[in-house]
Amino acid sequence: GQQLNQSPQSMFIQEGEDVSMNCTSSSIFNTWLWYKQDPGEGPVLLIALYKAGELTSNGRLTAQFGITRKDSFLNISASIPSDVGIYFCAGPGEYGNKLVFGAGTILRVKS
Amino acid sequence: EADIYQTPRYLVIGTGKKITLECSQTMGHDKMYWYQQDPGMELHLIHYSYGVNSTEKGDLSSESTVSRIRTEHFPLTLESARPSHTSQYLCASSRDTSREQYFGPGTRLTVT
Repeated sequence: GQQLNQSPQSMFIQEGEDVSMNCTSSSIFNTWLWYKQDPGEGPVLLIALYKAGELTSNGRLTAQFGITRKDSFLNISASIPSDVGIYFCAGPGEYGNKLVFGAGTILRVKS
Repeated sequence: EADIYQTPRYLVIGTGKKITLECSQTMGHDKMYWYQQDPGMELHLIHYSYGVNSTEKGDLSSESTVSRIRTEHFPLTLESARPSHTSQYLCASSRDTSREQYFGPGTRLTVT
């Protein structure tokens, strides 16, 4: 089945630093979704991407749909303590009806 | 903000008990999903439904069962809880024409 590989697995950064993470797929996707999960809560949808090359922002977050359609990137500028959490990428499964999730990138911010 | 609710948020229960985890959404979404997630790990789809009276098993085998009698309600039942069922259970929903899934806050289940 399709797999998503997220990198890095975890990050421990200083408050104010910029963050970059990515997600790669073994096959072509036509949708990329980025979620954030706070401890003890459900994932919250941050950004949805639908077109190769698309660059979309949500506040300090920016995500890009890779032109090969096999990858996506999420950047967080000027990190703050509330950015702490797990960031998941997701895309449509083999038959397009379900989502496949990456294993997540754990972000810790040192203030 | 998504309007999807799960109860209870936390449940500690003994082995062999029957439990039902509730999930409701007020967005009129046709599609609903149940995921199982161990702390800090990836999400695994265990059940999904594309509408009333439609339920399917997900990618991860689960001893739980689900029902979809009303559009807004998608409960998950474990007939006989075991310690191996200890996990977080997340419910999600989406519009029929969209892949964007919206999640509830989850139920953290502990079976002793």
